[in-house]
Formats: sequence, structure tokens, C-alpha cells
Amino acid sequence: QKEVEQNSGPLSVPEGAIASLNCTYSDRVSQSFFWYRQYSGKSPELIMSIYSNGDKEDGRFTAQLNKASQYVSLLIRDSQPSDSATYLCAVNGNSGYSTLTFGKGTMLLVSP
Amino acid sequence: DVKVTQSSRYLVKRTGEKVFLECVQDMDHENMFWYRQDPGLGLRLIYFSYDVKMKEKGDIPEGYSVSREKKERFSLILESASTNQTSMYLCASSLIPAGGNTIYFGEGSWLTVV
Repeated sequence: QKEVEQNSGPLSVPEGAIASLNCTYSDRVSQSFFWYRQYSGKSPELIMSIYSNGDKEDGRFTAQLNKASQYVSLLIRDSQPSDSATYLCAVNGNSGYSTLTFGKGTMLLVSP
Repeated sequence: DVKVTQSSRYLVKRTGEKVFLECVQDMDHENMFWYRQDPGLGLRLIYFSYDVKMKEKGDIPEGYSVSREKKERFSLILESASTNQTSMYLCASSLIPAGGNTIYFGEGSWLTVV
């Protein structure tokens, strides 16, 4: 059974700071990694995907992947109150390439 | 934009009732999924389908069944609803296997079983 672990938080950061969200996964052969953002009462929406070791940047977001350590992270620069949400890490799931297994999410709170 | 529509947003059903949750996607996606989301347990996969009339069990299929008679529609069925099935249910779809591509979620169906 693949497992995806995240600290539940909340992670509290002041506006303008860098928020660092972390995720570890159990299956060494996992190939695909995703970060979803979920606002309270809403459905998840994709913000980043990463497939290769290293960093991938998209605007204020940077995803970092280290397959040797089975670790993926999401950095949010210049955090805004609108970034306050739960962030879900996902990896390709127990049914191989067809599905995603999600972590339980980390709640981020950005204070003005 | 991809649109995944869940027709029932909020439902209240009685224990033992048969419940249908309907999901339609408009982007000709091959793969469709049903997840449930509970506080402290996260998103858990119930069933998925990679083609019409095909279905595969996810991590928690017990107490559920699914139907995919048309490519765009994927239904989740609770044959005899129980209180432990009170949850938010999320339908999703993807063009190719989810491990290689974005999955898009519907807005969710909040089911309360009393």
C-alpha cells in the first residue's frame, strides 16, 4: 500500500514570507508527483506537477523533488492571505500509473 | 476548460436507502474516478474506470458500486446507505492515466446519511 505523508499543520506564516510544505512517499518507484490546493468547502485544484529530480518553478510556486530521499516539497514565495488553504500532495497510486494517492494535506494559514 | 459536473451537491438520505451520485465530464476523458474525503483521512479512492463499461476497485470499494454506460458519465451507487458513508464525494476525470496527467475534480457532493 503506497503511503503519502504530510504534516497536517496548520503552518502559519506572515504575509510576504516563504511557506514550505513537505511530503514524503513510501514507494520508491513512484514517478509522478502533484500538488493540489483545496480551499475550505471546495474541490482540489492542481497547482504543480513534477516528474524529475530537482526544482520546477511556476510563478510564486516552486516544487522540489528528491527521489533518493522520497521527498517532495512545495515552496510558496511572497505568501498572500489568499494562499491560505489546504495543500495536498499526490503521487501515482496503488493501481500503478492509472490513479493518484493523496496525502491528508497540510493546512496553510497566511496572516496579513 | 474541463468541466466535471456532479449533479447533486447536497443530499440527505436515510439509512438503507439506495443512493445514486452522478458525474458528467465534457472533455472526452478516458479515465474517471470517485473519491471520498473525510476529515483526518484525506482523499481516498473508491472506484475508477478507464473505459466505458470498465471499472476497477480503488482503496475502499466496500459498500459501493459504479456504473459507466457512457464515456462521459460515471455513477457511484450506494446500494444500502449507512451512516459511515456520510462524507464528501468527489468525482474526477483525466485524459490519460492519472499518474501521467492532471486529474480534474468536480465540485463535490456532500452526502449525509441519517
